[in-house]
Parts: sequence; C-alpha cells; structure tokens
Amino acid sequence: QKEVEQNSGPLSVPEGAIASLNCTYSDRGSQSFFWYRQYSGKSPELIMFIYSNGDKEDGRFTAQLNKASQYVSLLIRDSQPSDSATYLCDVPGSGNTGKLIFGQGTTLQVKP
Amino acid sequence: DAGITQSPRHKVTETGTPVTLRCHQTENHRYMYWYRQDPGHGLRLIHYSYGVKDTDKGEVSDGYSVSRSKTEDFLLTLESATSSQTSVYFCAISAGGSTDTQYFGPGTRLTVL
Repeated sequence: QKEVEQNSGPLSVPEGAIASLNCTYSDRGSQSFFWYRQYSGKSPELIMFIYSNGDKEDGRFTAQLNKASQYVSLLIRDSQPSDSATYLCDVPGSGNTGKLIFGQGTTLQVKP
Repeated sequence: DAGITQSPRHKVTETGTPVTLRCHQTENHRYMYWYRQDPGHGLRLIHYSYGVKDTDKGEVSDGYSVSRSKTEDFLLTLESATSSQTSVYFCAISAGGSTDTQYFGPGTRLTVL
C-alpha cells in the first residue's frame, strides 16, 4: 500500500457543482495534512491545511479530516473552470522528519 | 510569492554528461527540498536539507547527489545523466519542515537525450 493514495482521475464536474477529492494515508501518527493545487505547467501552491478532525472551511474550499478512517478530503463548492487543475495531497509522516509524502494527484476538470 | 528561483529553467543534455541544477532562496528557510515530477508518479522526493551541510535521502535518490554550503543555495547534481532522469525538477523550501507549508520554485525541465 502506498503511503498516500489519490485517485488520479480525471474527475470531471459541471460548472457550479461540488467537486470532491479524496486522499487516504497509511501512517496513523500523521498530524498535519495539506492540499496543493497545480495548474498545468506551473508549480504547486498551497490551498488548504488541516490538523484537527472535522471540517475546515476557507471560501469555496472545505477540507475534511477523519483520522480514525485515515482519509482527508477536499470539497470545492460552486466549481469554476478556473479550478481545473491537479490537486495534490501531502501527508507528512509522524514526527517532523523533514520528509514530505505526496499522493500522485487528482486532475479536476470543470466543464462550462 | 516566496523568493525561490531555479536555474536553469530548461536544459537539454546528453546521456553520460554531468548536470547541476541550482535552487536559490531569499527567505532564510531552514529546509530545502528537491523533487522530480513525472506523469503518473506525482511529486517524488529526491533529497532534502535541514540545514547547511545537513542533507538526507528521499525515495528516489539513486543517481543524484546534493550539496548545501549556504542557507540560500541547494544544488542537485546528476553525476552522469541518463534518459530516465528526464523530468521536471522542483525545488521547495519550508521554515518548519515536513509539518509546515512548502513553497515551490518555478521548476526546471530537464531532457536527457
């Protein structure tokens, strides 16, 4: 089992819909969870991070964390064509070892 | 934007030649990272540094070496480039390490013929 897994997609949603991106992880000791967005040909940029169980909202984005089930999700409400990108989940292992562990990314396509 | 630059931005080289990629930061962050990104594999960590002269291996370190003689510079060297090292290389920096936000450089596209 990979340490961090994402469905590579593409995930296609119509404009205005909710896009749901999921990420599962294997290290039960992980304490912090990050979502990065990467547009084609560009570098990744942070959009959300979450440390506690439950939901964290920032504008149209909501991160959901369930440590018991070892998954973290990103919901994008009112999806826009400008949200079309690859979304990378980063789940560092337990302890600050310095090493970063990314999933392979989910490509989201928002169709007008 | 975090002050991170990578050089060169594009490079084409031949198999067997040495290649050095440079990452330069102006943020004085302690941690620096080198990744490669390939279709179907996402971002894979090559090496990282947690201070001047302090480095460690990532998951795909074979064929790569790194050096960090100053806080602001982190060099990635391919001693003898192979076609399998054709990729996009990203540098990233972080103040607090793996449990902190990573800021990525613009990337270097390397082609090994």
